[in-house]
Amino acid sequence: DAGVIQSPRHEVTEMGQEVTLRCKPISGHNSLFWYRQTMMRGLELLIYFNNNVPIDDSGMPEDRFSAKMPNASFSTLKIQPSEPRDSAVYFCASTPDSSYEQYFGPGTRLTVT
Amino acid sequence: RKEVEQDPGPFNVPEGATVAFNCTYSNSASQSFFWYRQDCRKEPKLLMSVYSSGNEDGRFTAQLNRASQYISLLIRDSKLSDSATYLCAVMGNTGGFKTIFGAGTRLFVKA
Repeated sequence: DAGVIQSPRHEVTEMGQEVTLRCKPISGHNSLFWYRQTMMRGLELLIYFNNNVPIDDSGMPEDRFSAKMPNASFSTLKIQPSEPRDSAVYFCASTPDSSYEQYFGPGTRLTVT
Repeated sequence: RKEVEQDPGPFNVPEGATVAFNCTYSNSASQSFFWYRQDCRKEPKLLMSVYSSGNEDGRFTAQLNRASQYISLLIRDSKLSDSATYLCAVMGNTGGFKTIFGAGTRLFVKA
């Protein structure tokens, strides 16, 4: 069975550039989460969706970050413009309504120079 | 104060040792509790859920103390393969699945 799929796995970009991270949740999972992980701040919830609708975006750092979920099988997290402090590993996770277990993707390691 | 706090460690223990991790949470209305394991440069994976009555899975035992607002994880007879970062996670009571993770506790098990 395919797990949560994220792309790209690694992204190196220059400050000011737009970055788009992609996620395909596990089929049949109704909730999707975007997290950011750094050594300093740990694993932070940025936003989560239920049935494609954003439920809580209180963790989104600022207007430079935006997330969409146009359908049940695809979500994007966009950073525009990117800054060096955005460097982190970004995880996507999904959860079925029948369980609270979160299934994480392999993450996207973002480096902004 | 962070919503979920853990001792960052690292914990360095020999094989066969028993090690315990604690995690405190600030929202007294939190409903669900979990321990996740994260290997170096990998994603977190669920280790076990934590129930009010406590639960055990092989060498791992999880406990919840609602009065003191902490959860614990006990690993008995630790193995080299237990070396990882252990994250506690707390789900609130606001509806939906919003989950807050602790920063994690690093464990190194040595031969």
